[in-house]
Amino acid sequence: AAGVIQSPRHLIKEKRETATLKCYPIPRHDTVYWYQQGPGQDPQFLISFYEKMQSDKGSIPDRFSAQQFSDYHSELNMSSLELGDSALYFCASSQIGGNVHEQYFGPGTRLTVT
Amino acid sequence: EDQVTQSPEALRLQEGESSSLNCSYTVSGLRGLFWYRQDPGKGPEFLFTLYSAGEEKEKERLKATLTKKESFLHITAPKPEDSATYLCAVVDDYKLSFGAGTTVTVRA
Repeated sequence: AAGVIQSPRHLIKEKRETATLKCYPIPRHDTVYWYQQGPGQDPQFLISFYEKMQSDKGSIPDRFSAQQFSDYHSELNMSSLELGDSALYFCASSQIGGNVHEQYFGPGTRLTVT
Repeated sequence: EDQVTQSPEALRLQEGESSSLNCSYTVSGLRGLFWYRQDPGKGPEFLFTLYSAGEEKEKERLKATLTKKESFLHITAPKPEDSATYLCAVVDDYKLSFGAGTTVTVRA
């Protein structure tokens, strides 16, 4: 079965640079969620989109922005990167109207800021 | 604010030694409790969804149960490949609020 695809899988950036993470949800899933997971921590919700509209917002820094496109893929844009942004970034997708709350996670993007 | 607490933080088991993980939650109107398995450096892998007290679900050596205040993940006769961090999460609006997880290590 198709899963959530994330790219790139690994990313190394320097402080103050920008980064773009991409997420391709499971086919027919219309909702995308972004989570950040620091070392030894549980995933923390950043932001979500339903039908290309922002549906919920968590602890996402103002330096970050995201959007969902017409093909339902999503991109997380991160600017003025800080050392503390180093983490695993996961995208998850679900299908509203089906079993709404079952979120399926991608393999993650490991961001390292040096 | 919804809270999810998992215990123990870590669990070391001998192969074949059954045990249980606990997830207690405080939420006004549970809309779903989820169990995920996460291997190091990988995305959480969906295991179970539980919606109402008394509900039980099984998958291979894992069985999840739900009461009004907590959920248990029972691991029966575990094998080394069951070693992972098991995360519990509740639905908070549409996003998930996770517990800190229980790291299970199964020795052969």
